[in-house]
Amino acid sequence: AQSVTQPDIHITVSEGASLELRCNYSYGATPYLFWYVQSPGQGLQLLLKYFSGDTLVQGIKGFEAEFKRSQSSFNLRKPSVHWSDAAEYFCAVEGDSSYKLIFGSGTRLLVRP
Amino acid sequence: DADVTQTPRNRITKTGKRIMLECSQTKGHDRMYWYRQDPGLGLRLIYYSFDVKDINKGEISDGYSVSRQAQAKFSLSLESAIPNQTALYFCATSDPGLAGGGTGELFFGEGSRLTVL
Repeated sequence: AQSVTQPDIHITVSEGASLELRCNYSYGATPYLFWYVQSPGQGLQLLLKYFSGDTLVQGIKGFEAEFKRSQSSFNLRKPSVHWSDAAEYFCAVEGDSSYKLIFGSGTRLLVRP
Repeated sequence: DADVTQTPRNRITKTGKRIMLECSQTKGHDRMYWYRQDPGLGLRLIYYSFDVKDINKGEISDGYSVSRQAQAKFSLSLESAIPNQTALYFCATSDPGLAGGGTGELFFGEGSRLTVL
């Protein structure tokens, strides 16, 4: 069965610093991978997704993620964090069932001024 | 107006009461979902529906029921609420998904926070 692990519950970075949020998945074939962001009091919004091709994908708000099959990872990165990036981030995988996403437990990002 | 609208946004109720959370969408999607969010657990799927006549249980359907009244409307009911159903509930819609030739993106409502005392 597919699963997603986000090992970091909380991460704190200073504004302007770089960011990497970790995501590891378990799935037998090539997965479809997603990152969603949840701002306080809001629903989730898609940041980016990977389904084939170039393993480095670009998303909205300056985020990118790299799919590494050998490490079963899909880490989210941003070179310079802004205070408005403070939110909770969810990694998700869609398997061959094509009917649902499996979400990780989320990583809450705090941004220091 | 939001593409996916949930009502109510907040509700406090007592153990044993029947509660209905409603969701409506203007995305024109056939697929609709109900998720539950608990701290540290991410989002877990309660029920999903691929069209008006197709309703399926997710991973945590016990204690919940749903109704798909129309393509645009999908309601979640708690027949007899209990305190461990206190959570943030999200409705979402999507196209057929990447495996089905769609985009795979879920569109979420803003959530309904339910507290069961």
